[in-house]
Amino acid sequence: GAVVSQHPSWVICKSGTSVKIECRSLDFQATTMFWYRQFPKQSLMLMATSNEGSKATYEQGVEKDKFLINHASLTLSTLTVTSAHPEDSSFYICSARTNQGYRGWETQYFGPGTRLLVL
Amino acid sequence: LAKTTQPISMDSYEGQEVNITCSHNNIATNDYITWYQQFPSQGPRFIIQGYKTKVTNEVASLFIPADRKSSTLSLPRVSLSDTAVYYCLVGALNTGGFKTIFGAGTRLFVKA
Repeated sequence: GAVVSQHPSWVICKSGTSVKIECRSLDFQATTMFWYRQFPKQSLMLMATSNEGSKATYEQGVEKDKFLINHASLTLSTLTVTSAHPEDSSFYICSARTNQGYRGWETQYFGPGTRLLVL
Repeated sequence: LAKTTQPISMDSYEGQEVNITCSHNNIATNDYITWYQQFPSQGPRFIIQGYKTKVTNEVASLFIPADRKSSTLSLPRVSLSDTAVYYCLVGALNTGGFKTIFGAGTRLFVKA
């Protein structure tokens, strides 16, 4: 159980275009999802917290107008990279929080990631 | 949020037991510990979670001393496929408000 999917798994786009990445919790409902980005050989960096039915909370230094997050349902959150530029090229990973962890504790389960390359 | 400290890298050989220790000196009473494994170009995979003493599942054991200021992930008889980055994270129990912040992790290299 507790499977999270992402689509697409990789995307190549031209500079100036927008790219949408979907994150779905397949077998559970998630009121909260998270978006991370990861550069090569580095750890995951939290970008924003996505709450179903409300505005996302962005971490300091993350442009909310650049990275649009929509959590329209309990199983779907989307991240749109607007007017993408080469410096936005990265590995984007989402996660969903559930109470299916040890002893029913809150646990985050992660998607497989989306590789974005902006030319 | 409790900060965690792990060794940057570790080497091991196939068949050996590997123990990775994480320090979290300012862990709070309602914090628990979770370990994840990450392979290149993949999302982190949940390994194990615990609050105190010892927890064991089909892939690993987690040892947490009484003061809870550290925890040790134990991987029995590692294989080459266990080469990955391992992250220790600390988060509050069922508050509904915590967010997971990743540290640098430990890069484990398993050699033949």
